[in-house]
Amino acid sequence: ELKVEQNPLFLSMQEGKNYTIYCNYSTTSDRLYWYRQDPGKSLESLFVLLSNGAVKQEGRLMASLDTKARLSTLHITAAVHDLSATYFCAVDIKNAGNMLTFGGGTRLMVKP
Amino acid sequence: DVKVTQSSRYLVKRTGEKVFLECVQDMDHENMFWYRQDPGLGLRLIYFSYDVKMKEKGDIPEGYSVSREKKERFSLILESASTNQTSMYLCASSILDLRNEQFFGPGTRLTVL
Repeated sequence: ELKVEQNPLFLSMQEGKNYTIYCNYSTTSDRLYWYRQDPGKSLESLFVLLSNGAVKQEGRLMASLDTKARLSTLHITAAVHDLSATYFCAVDIKNAGNMLTFGGGTRLMVKP
Repeated sequence: DVKVTQSSRYLVKRTGEKVFLECVQDMDHENMFWYRQDPGLGLRLIYFSYDVKMKEKGDIPEGYSVSREKKERFSLILESASTNQTSMYLCASSILDLRNEQFFGPGTRLTVL
């Protein structure tokens, strides 16, 4: 059974600081996804990582994937209040009908 | 842009009622999914469908059924709603390609009294 664990579960940080969210998973996978969810809203796709060593960046967020370590990171640079949200990683198991298994989410609060 | 819509944003039903949640996508996606989201438990897959009239159980199918009569529409059915089915329900769709990126609808917050 695939397990996906994120840490931390909750993160409070000051504006301007850097931090990293970690996503570990237990089974071989080549595809990993990061989503953002604002309170009361649905999930918005941020990044799709398709191979070992993949790195994607959008604004102050950068995601990377190490399939050998079964680890993805979401790095936040110089955080701003607008980044406050819950971030989920999700992993795709090969040959499992395109199903995703989600991590528990990291709730990020950026304080002014 | 992919658009996934859900029939209701908020729904209040009584225990024992039959409940239909509908999801429609406009991008000709093969795959459609139903999740429920609960605090502390994240997103859990209820059912998914990879083609018309095809369905597969996810992690928590008990108490639910689904219907996919047309490619663009995927319905989740609660045959006899119970209070422990109070939750946020999210529908998603994806195309069968290398990216397998799922696009989510706005969600339906269901309360069963």
